[in-house]
Amino acid sequence: DIVVTQSPLSLPVTPGEPASISCRSSQSLLYSNGYNYLDWYLQKPGQSPQLLIYLGSNRASGVPVRFSGSGSGTDFTLKISRVEAEDVGIYYCIQTVQTPFIFGQGTRLEIK
Amino acid sequence: QVHLVQSGAEVERPGASLKVFCKASGFTFTNYFIHWVRQAPGQRPEWMGWIHVGNGDTKYSQKFQGRIILTRDTSATTAHMQLSSLTSEDTGTYYCARGLGAVSGWHFDNWGQGTHVTVSS
Repeated sequence: DIVVTQSPLSLPVTPGEPASISCRSSQSLLYSNGYNYLDWYLQKPGQSPQLLIYLGSNRASGVPVRFSGSGSGTDFTLKISRVEAEDVGIYYCIQTVQTPFIFGQGTRLEIK
Repeated sequence: QVHLVQSGAEVERPGASLKVFCKASGFTFTNYFIHWVRQAPGQRPEWMGWIHVGNGDTKYSQKFQGRIILTRDTSATTAHMQLSSLTSEDTGTYYCARGLGAVSGWHFDNWGQGTHVTVSS
């Protein structure tokens, strides 16, 4: 199975400041169609996960433009340009290039 | 508006079987895959498998192979997940989620509200 590793595991951020989360995989997530099969989800407290970014860099419908995804192969980053209070929760990346689809350990973002 | 509404919380005995359903509305059910993801308390989510609603094809995580059965009832726009031989390690929240296929990416764009399952004697 592909191993997916996130860092940091905890991320305290002051509102208005940027934030960045790293996701690394043990194998390339580049699919034969040229897309990276790496997605990002946010799980707010007490809620189901919600899709933020798919195929490495595509914002899902309704996701604010302050969220962006980048990277290729085995190294990916989720960036929040200016953190807001509503962004608290646990951020997960997931590889979907092969089954079983594997989530990272999660990064807990909290407001300072 | 897309909705996935799951069945209610369950308490099961070790060795029993669990069945959770996921009622879909607001989209063409047969055009999608339904994935099942579970999350043990305080743990990362864990993908269990998918079913292609249109043709009934399934793909299971090897971890659950032999214990999991995914089915769907297209007339009722409902997907079902059955998990047998339960142990305490199966305690957690089970989610259904909608997705497209490999070409579009396997991301899950809508999720059910989750079904809390407790396995305890």
